[in-house]
Amino acid sequence: DQQVKQNSPSLSVQEGRISILNCDYTNSMFDYFLWYKKYPAEGPTFLISISSIKDKNEDGRFTVFLNKSAKHLSLHIVPSQPGDSAVYFCAARTPAGYALNFGKGTSLLVTP
Amino acid sequence: DVKVTQSSRYLVKRTGEKVFLECVQDMDHENMFWYRQDPGLGLRLIYFSYDVKMKEKGDIPEGYSVSREKKERFSLILESASTNQTSMYLCASSLSQGAGGYTFGSGTRLTVV
Repeated sequence: DQQVKQNSPSLSVQEGRISILNCDYTNSMFDYFLWYKKYPAEGPTFLISISSIKDKNEDGRFTVFLNKSAKHLSLHIVPSQPGDSAVYFCAARTPAGYALNFGKGTSLLVTP
Repeated sequence: DVKVTQSSRYLVKRTGEKVFLECVQDMDHENMFWYRQDPGLGLRLIYFSYDVKMKEKGDIPEGYSVSREKKERFSLILESASTNQTSMYLCASSLSQGAGGYTFGSGTRLTVV
């Protein structure tokens, strides 16, 4: 049973525009959410995270928004750059859990 | 620079072989994990360990086992490799629960022929 869902397998955005990647979750016990970025033939790298006590976290061009009532989070990349082209995974964790629950990923393509 | 190192980037093995995938971390992390990544399926947890000699099954443990004899090393074992185990295998480590996310290795692309 997929507790973290990324319903868009792919997204294409023009360079300079905003990329918005979405993630929904079903487990109300999740207290920590993360985004990872993965290039082909490499391991995922941590991008940004947010605690459930916040509704927004920014780091440079990357902002994550959390809407707990809707069980939804989104990652905004502004402005998008060709080097942002990668697969982005949303992940979540419960306070008692050791392991992260990952979504299936969204493949972002930023075109020049 | 902190690291999670997976011993092989690419492996080709024959059906029925016993396969060992090794992972070493130098961050003194308590937790270690093995995932596999397949197109359209995302990252699926195979096994994890929260302490030396401790192991827990993840979502897809069938056909796999693990070993953690030392804190820094976590091995994934395919007892008898099959073609449906062809995949990208990712090792990760983290501090004890509540402390944040994972650090991943670069992955091992395993092909079983």
